[in-house]
Amino acid sequence: SQTIHQWPATLVQPVGSPLSLECTVEGTSNPNLYWYRQAAGRGLQLLFYSVGIGQISSEVPQNLSASRPQDRQFILSSKKLLLSDSGFYLCAFTGPLGAQETQYFGPGTRLLVL
Amino acid sequence: GQSLEQPSEVTAVEGAIVQINCTYQTSGFYGLSWYQQHDGGAPTFLSYNGLDGLEETGRFSSFLSRSDSYGYLLLQELQMKDSASYFCAVSPPGSARQLTFGSGTQLTVLP
Repeated sequence: SQTIHQWPATLVQPVGSPLSLECTVEGTSNPNLYWYRQAAGRGLQLLFYSVGIGQISSEVPQNLSASRPQDRQFILSSKKLLLSDSGFYLCAFTGPLGAQETQYFGPGTRLLVL
Repeated sequence: GQSLEQPSEVTAVEGAIVQINCTYQTSGFYGLSWYQQHDGGAPTFLSYNGLDGLEETGRFSSFLSRSDSYGYLLLQELQMKDSASYFCAVSPPGSARQLTFGSGTQLTVLP
């Protein structure tokens, strides 16, 4: 079965510190991968997506970056966090070819930047 | 670009039927999806309309009318556990199938 993991679950970081959030998927090959951010009480904002290893598309200019070093690994990074980077970060992947209308979300990481 | 509008809040009582509307502006898309998100949790997929018409999945149904740029999620026999946020979403043409979400509708089910 397909599963998606994210860690850490929660994170408190000072302004200006670096960030690395990791997402891994099991049970599927060559998935499309996505990073979303959700502010409290708001909708989901797409940050990055990837259709293959090393292929990253950015939706919103910001101080965040993403990388996909392996087929089922997606990493969200920042060199220097801002207060506005606080939020709920969600990783997601699509189902297999023919069922790509469904996105499966990981449990998310709650980031608080102080 | 794409934009989707939903009511911010809906309240209903247990056993009732509620409809959550979604209107959108987009130059093209594969279909309209609906996701449910409980407080503190991750979104989970509920329904997808690739074609116009009604899709039924148990107590939940979803409808799409491309000519009206409109869709809705219908929840029947409401239960307390249905209290959650509901998001409509579209994905533009292309292979990436990334989603643009509406701002969400907070559904509160009262006893």
